This record gives sequence, structure tokens and C-alpha cells, in this order.
Amino acid sequence: GPKVLQIPSHQIIDMGQMVTLNCDPVSNHLYFYWYKQILGQQMEFLVNFYNGKVMEKSKLFKDQFSVERPDGSYFTLKIQPTALEDSAVYFCASSPGLGQNTLYFGAGTRLSVL
Amino acid sequence: GDKVKQSPSALSLQEGTNSALRCNFSIAATTVQWFLQNPRGSLMNLFYLVPGTKENGRLKSAFDSKESYSTLHIRDAQLEDSGTYFCAAETNTGKLTFGDGTVLTVKP
Repeated sequence: GPKVLQIPSHQIIDMGQMVTLNCDPVSNHLYFYWYKQILGQQMEFLVNFYNGKVMEKSKLFKDQFSVERPDGSYFTLKIQPTALEDSAVYFCASSPGLGQNTLYFGAGTRLSVL
Repeated sequence: GDKVKQSPSALSLQEGTNSALRCNFSIAATTVQWFLQNPRGSLMNLFYLVPGTKENGRLKSAFDSKESYSTLHIRDAQLEDSGTYFCAAETNTGKLTFGDGTVLTVKP
């Protein structure tokens, strides 16, 4: 089936540094999402993105977070600066449309902030 | 989560037996998705449902929007079915709200 690729699979970083998580969504999809999953807990919605803009974001999407997809390349989540509580697995997803469309998830990037 | 409640939280099955997982929603879900998260953490799409039922092999899922619940039935459980099953409700904004998951362990 359709594949969403996330790079890297694991990232270790020192607290206070910047990190960028990369997502290569399904090629004809128009909507993109980031979800966060702390170990042993449920997946939480962070943000969705369409046509170059953030459409909706949750309380978890702190001011230190930003997303972009310059010129149809990777859909990225940048955290600057990172904090210890940012340690989690971040899942990227994409869908062809909004509402009543299957979301396809990547395998996740495990972020460890030391 | 409070908006999407999954039950049971954990389940142990003997290989070859059947069981059912359930999600109750306190939000106006338009569609429901079921995922299996394997021990490595990857999410696999199982079902995407508008109100109604779908079947795929040994799995069958139903979504009743009026009663605000969804079920996932597993028939003839196999060892490879082990993992965490998540249901997620989609509202008309396209955002998925996930349940807390059901950890399924299938034993030989």
C-alpha cells in the first residue's frame, strides 16, 4: 500500500539544541499531520497542514514547534529549542483529502532528548 | 483518552480463539480507523470505516455512529496478531483522536 517514509528512525539530541524530523508523504496526498506518542501512552494529535499552512494545532504544539513543506519536498517538524519532555516517538501521516480519508502513517521517529 | 475509550486495555488470547475489542466515542465521529502498532512501533492500517461493517480475512469491524461505538472482532487469533490495537475517531475537521489502545498478547 501507500508508504510514508520518516527519516531518521531514531534521533538523539542534547536538550536545548534544534532538531528537524523529516517526512516523505505519499506522493499524491495533500494533507499532512504530525502525531506524538510518549512511551506507553496513546497517540496525540499535534498539527495538520495543507497548502503551505497550518490548519489546526493542539495544545501540545508548543511555540518551539514549527512545520513546513518547502516546494513539495519533505514535510518537516522542527523543534527549537528541544526540552526533555519532547522525548517521544513522532509519527507523520498524510491523506489525499480532509475528512473521510484514510490517514497513512510513517514508522515514526524516536526522539531522545538528553 | 476521555473522548475515545477503548476496552479492554489489555487482553491475552490463546492461539485459535476469538475475541472483540471495543471503542466508545464521546465526540461526533464521522469515520473510524483501526490500527495495529507492532512491537517495533510501526502503525499498520487495518480498517477505515464509515458507519457500517467491513471484513478482511480474520478481522471484522463495525462502526455504529448513532450509538457512538466501534468494534474489532478477531477470529482464530494467531501469534502475529500480538501488538497494540488503536482505534481513532475522525471528526469533520479531519483530525484523528486516538484511544489509549488495547495490548493484545496471543499465546501458543
